[in-house]
Amino acid sequence: GQNIDQPTEMTATEGAIVQINCTYQTSGFNGLFWYQQHAGEAPTFLSYNVLDGLEEKGRFSSFLSRSKGYSYLLLKELQMKDSASYLCAVRDDDYKLSFGAGTTVTVRA
Amino acid sequence: TAGITQAPTSQILAAGRSMTLRCTQDMRHNAMYWYRQDLGLGLRLIHYSNTAGTTGKGEVPDGYSVSRANTDDFPLTLASAVPSQTSVYFCASSEGTGGSDTQYFGPGTRLTVL
Repeated sequence: GQNIDQPTEMTATEGAIVQINCTYQTSGFNGLFWYQQHAGEAPTFLSYNVLDGLEEKGRFSSFLSRSKGYSYLLLKELQMKDSASYLCAVRDDDYKLSFGAGTTVTVRA
Repeated sequence: TAGITQAPTSQILAAGRSMTLRCTQDMRHNAMYWYRQDLGLGLRLIHYSNTAGTTGKGEVPDGYSVSRANTDDFPLTLASAVPSQTSVYFCASSEGTGGSDTQYFGPGTRLTVL
């Protein structure tokens, strides 16, 4: 089976930086995705990594190390609207996504 | 652009009754998926379809069936609902299944089985 671990909750202050870690053990690897999900809403795509290294998109960056089975999502200059759940998902050998349980980030003023 | 629509938004269903959750996309995506999301468990794949006319089983397919008669529609049927099927159901679609193909999610259906 697939095993994807991420912290359950994190709290940070507006304007700060938060790093959400994700470790995975899956049957094969064909890319790692990060999604954002606000309460009561659908997940929306944030980032995709398939090669080792850092991908930057504005205030959000995502890092991947395939040899360590590890990724992180970095949120910079936190805003109140960043309060949400962040989902780590790995695409396996069957090209299906397996999701972690999600990390709920609370941004405080 | 509508993207992906799901119906109904929410439903309360008596145990033993049948129900079909509807999902329609207007992006001409080849692949479509059904997930359920339960607190603490994350999204779990129920069924998927890589292209019209084909379907496959995901991680938790028991008690559910799907069909893919055309590109746009991917209904999910519960033949005889049980309380453990109480969940939020998300439909998703993607252009393909490889590379950087991203899954786009519908707004979800909140189902309560009593």
